[in-house]
Amino acid sequence: QSALTQPAAVSGSPGQSITISCTGTSNDVGNYNHVSWYQQHPGKAPKLIIYEGDKRPSGVSNRFSGSKSGNTASLTISGLQAEDEADYYCCSYAGSDTFLLFGGGTKLTVL
Amino acid sequence: QLQLQESGPGLVKPSETLSLTCTVSGGSVRSTSYYWGWVRQPPGKGLEWIGSVYYGGGSTFYNPSLKSRITISLDTSKNQFSLKLSSVTAADTAIYYCARDRMRWNFDYWGLGTLVTVSS
Repeated sequence: QSALTQPAAVSGSPGQSITISCTGTSNDVGNYNHVSWYQQHPGKAPKLIIYEGDKRPSGVSNRFSGSKSGNTASLTISGLQAEDEADYYCCSYAGSDTFLLFGGGTKLTVL
Repeated sequence: QLQLQESGPGLVKPSETLSLTCTVSGGSVRSTSYYWGWVRQPPGKGLEWIGSVYYGGGSTFYNPSLKSRITISLDTSKNQFSLKLSSVTAADTAIYYCARDRMRWNFDYWGLGTLVTVSS
């Protein structure tokens, strides 16, 4: 099964809001409430920032929010800060044959 | 605080078997509340889920594209879990991460990752 589709790159200025989309199918994003998002800074391990579509782990800033509509999940970062510059990956459960799919990743640049 | 640490050879020859171990501290691989998984990332590329293992029932879940080549197992006596990937090629060169899954198909704790290069 193909990876989930994300834009390769997005950018925004400090203080602005940006949204990263993650498009799947009715076999994954559209059918399960198990979409997660990860932030990865260069040379570091990924960090979970959103799980089950819209939940934030303890300690993650409320500037990060997640949502879903149909087969597309979205990550919104409000009040952009320089430290938000990183790669972002979505991930979705895809049933008991495929199990888990990642998106191709989106590079966020804070201008 | 839970910590995960990957270990294993950094260089593997083509056609051989890649073997990595993840040592868990601050938690137990025998917990029935978590899966334990492996994720890899080729240099400069995106993340790929490899597979996961669960102590309860000894269940394993594998990426179908890798299923014929992988084995993930638990060593409860050492509080570790391991990955074996057979018949490796240059395409298997990647940073390999071990991680904890709260049985909700998301990974909340990750190891630092270990780079494995496949080359003769």
